[in-house]
Amino acid sequence: GAGVSQSPSNKVTEKGKDVELRCDPISGHTALYWYRQSLGQGLEFLIYFQGNSAPDKSGLPSDRFSAERTGGSVSTLTIQRTQQEDSAVYLCASSSWRSSGTLLGPYEQYFGPGTRLTVT
Amino acid sequence: QQPVQSPQAVILREGEDAVINCSSSKALYSVHWYRQKHGEAPVFLMILLKGGEQKGHEKISASFNEKKQQSSLYLTASQLSYSGTYFCGTEPNYGQNFVFGPGTRLSVLP
Repeated sequence: GAGVSQSPSNKVTEKGKDVELRCDPISGHTALYWYRQSLGQGLEFLIYFQGNSAPDKSGLPSDRFSAERTGGSVSTLTIQRTQQEDSAVYLCASSSWRSSGTLLGPYEQYFGPGTRLTVT
Repeated sequence: QQPVQSPQAVILREGEDAVINCSSSKALYSVHWYRQKHGEAPVFLMILLKGGEQKGHEKISASFNEKKQQSSLYLTASQLSYSGTYFCGTEPNYGQNFVFGPGTRLSVLP
């Protein structure tokens, strides 16, 4: 079946411009995650959605970053007034969610191919 | 708080075994393991939940010591395809933000 898709795959923008990154999760996955990965570095958690709600937005690096999810499906990560330090690969992942039984929480995350953002 | 992974890097010959460790200063609800090859997205390997439940690929094994807040990933009879960076991810409690460790770079040589 279809996996997680992200668009655009590459984005080059000038410092100060706004950008929107899109993520299409696997159909039926209620949880959606955004991460940032700088060259040769680890995965920096940004935000996650359970349905359309983001329980904790404290991972967003500054108030220039915002994210929304509509209809429990597509999500958009927006970066306003981009800075050079925002250059990175932005990864989206989705997972199904354990909602019954004694242990609740996410199953495995399926990652999209990422959007490579370059701020010049 | 980011979990700690050890070692930072390891080089193996094909057929050798390796153990990658992940530890947290906080109590953990779940630990996830992922492998990322250069230029690719991370791929799921294993999830370990508080209480002993596990789910993952057949050829991968891992342990989760809840009391010590530690998890280990066991790679046996390594193959060239095992090369990549291994990340552990931790969830301190249900619904709380997920945090990945810094990664362990594994290189398997012929």
